[in-house]
Amino acid sequence: EVQLVETGGGLIQPGGSLRLSCAASGFTVSSNYMSWVRQAPGKGLEWVSVIYSGGSTYYADSVKGRFTISRDNSKNTLYLQMNSLRAEDTAVYYCARDAPWFDPWGQGTLVTVSS
Amino acid sequence: EIVLTQSPATLSLSPGERATLSCRASQSVSSYLAWYQQKPGQAPRLLIYDASNRATGIPARFSGSGSGTDFTLTISSLEPEDFAVYYCQQRSNWPPSVTFGQGTRLEIK
Repeated sequence: EVQLVETGGGLIQPGGSLRLSCAASGFTVSSNYMSWVRQAPGKGLEWVSVIYSGGSTYYADSVKGRFTISRDNSKNTLYLQMNSLRAEDTAVYYCARDAPWFDPWGQGTLVTVSS
Repeated sequence: EIVLTQSPATLSLSPGERATLSCRASQSVSSYLAWYQQKPGQAPRLLIYDASNRATGIPARFSGSGSGTDFTLTISSLEPEDFAVYYCQQRSNWPPSVTFGQGTRLEIK
């Protein structure tokens, strides 16, 4: 079964850092494009970042320079390193296989940025 | 950046009725458009890709149409489990980016 499981969310103070993980099963992360998408409470969906199978990475302007997407091929896991966090980064963060449509999605992990 | 505008924002219908949801792009996206369904507390689920292709396991009552800038998601006869929020989505190849519409909430009348 193709599945994604995110972990790593939590409460973090403004300016802090957090790393999200997304463990995949049923397919190989490194052979696929993989994306992070977030959803602020009560709001719509916002694409955050993508990593291509070849390793190229791209970001939404709202997170460029603060977030880094990466993967560990040996662990078949996708990551999102988030630095300099702001209140407006508060959201549920989903990882998704980007093939090129988002399918499947993980269940999401909540990141709350607040003092 | 391509902007996707969905209408209406909220659609109130009864089970058994036909639902028509619209997504308009600010410039042509050819047929590179997808639709997702999201229920409260759940991740989105892919319904339609490439404007008109149903994803695996999606019932035949869901259909997509359109190309260029105007797209439609149709649910032929609403089932109770279809009441949810629906998003359209497109991607740009360069610079690589993805945009979603703001969503249409389909609620029970």
